[in-house]
Parts: sequence; C-alpha cells; structure tokens
Amino acid sequence: SYVLTQPPSVSVAPGKTARITCGGNKIGSKSVHWYQQKPGQAPVLVIYYDSDRPSGIPERFSGSNSGNAATLTISRVEAGDEADYFCQVWSTSIDLYVFGPGTRVTVL
Amino acid sequence: QITLKESGPTLVKPTQTLTLTCTVSGFSLSSSGVGVGWIRQPPGKALEWLALIFWDDDKRYSPSLRSRLTITRDTSKNQVVLTMTNMDPVDTATYYCTHLTTLRWAFDIWGQGTMATVSS
Repeated sequence: SYVLTQPPSVSVAPGKTARITCGGNKIGSKSVHWYQQKPGQAPVLVIYYDSDRPSGIPERFSGSNSGNAATLTISRVEAGDEADYFCQVWSTSIDLYVFGPGTRVTVL
Repeated sequence: QITLKESGPTLVKPTQTLTLTCTVSGFSLSSSGVGVGWIRQPPGKALEWLALIFWDDDKRYSPSLRSRLTITRDTSKNQVVLTMTNMDPVDTATYYCTHLTTLRWAFDIWGQGTMATVSS
C-alpha cells in the first residue's frame, strides 16, 4: 500500500510562513489534496490538484508537489490557521484514497 | 448549496452491523461526475477512506475493509447508505459523508460527521 508521511507538528509565529510537507514515493507523479481540520469540526478542502484553491480559501494557502514530497505553505499565518492539516492522494496502483497522518499547526 | 448529513446509531455492540445514512441536498446523485464517499476518523487519529459510489453506480472500497463494507444509493431519497459488518471497538470513530466530483477527485464538501461507538 502507498504510505504518506507528515511531521506531527509545526509551530509558527503570527505573520510568518508555515510549511507542511507530505512525503511519499514519487508523490510528484500523483495529485495531492490538502485538508484543514479545526477542533471539533469536519475537514475542509484547502488545496486540490497540488496547488489549486477552492473558492473561499485565502491566497495565503498554496501548494507544490515534486519528487518525493508535496508541500502546503501558509503565508502570513494567523491565529485562525491553527488546525490539523492532512494530505491525501489517489493511489491508482491499488485503487485507494490515502491520507497522511496529519500535522498539527500551532500558532505561537 | 451542497450539504450532506450523516445519521446512524451512536452505540453499536461488537459483532453487530453498523448502518449509516447520508442524506444529500443541492445536487443529484445521478449527475455525471458526482461521487459520494465515506471517511472515518477514530478519536485523535487520522482520516481513513472507506468507500465511494459514483453517479453511474460504480463503487470503490478500501482494500483493507472491502469484505465488511457495502455502499448503496437511493436516488429517489437522495441518500447513500454504508453498512459495515462485524463491528469491533477499534471501529469506534466519527464517520463522515463527503461529496466528490471527477473534476477535482477531491472530497470538496463534508458532512458534519456522526460518532459511532462500539462497546458492549
């Protein structure tokens, strides 16, 4: 099965940039989606197809994907960005949607 | 506006079957390119994809849980039903119903989730 890795936590000061990585074998050849989940709430899609933003998602959220790692970047971090972030890919080899373990972003 | 709402029992006994219903609005289950998926999340843990049903009734299942899952739809009621057999305490989780389109292949709209606890 296809395995995704994420750092358990990332801490960032307000106004700074947070970068969350999602590692996987040749993940650059797959499409990566990112979800934000605040405590007690359902996840929200923030990036799809590596770098596209759904309507209503601030431009501060951006994504990239190459080689063996995809990255979600949150610029000018705000207190409201504090949440868990999950990456997700579609593994065509075994017809399976795979989620990463999640990264908790803490705003200092 | 697309909405999805999950319903089902909050408590299930070990070995029993869990039946969850997702009632959707704002879109048709028969619209080309539309899919409805189920995803679960044990308390404090990661998301796990379970099953997906498409507008043409094509169905996909998590390989690790395939033998225990069945996903069906009732287009007249705008509902998608997931059944999971032989429930175990490790299946205790919040179960989410999600909307997907083949334009994005991402779960772009989520229900609020329903918590199911497996305990005797």
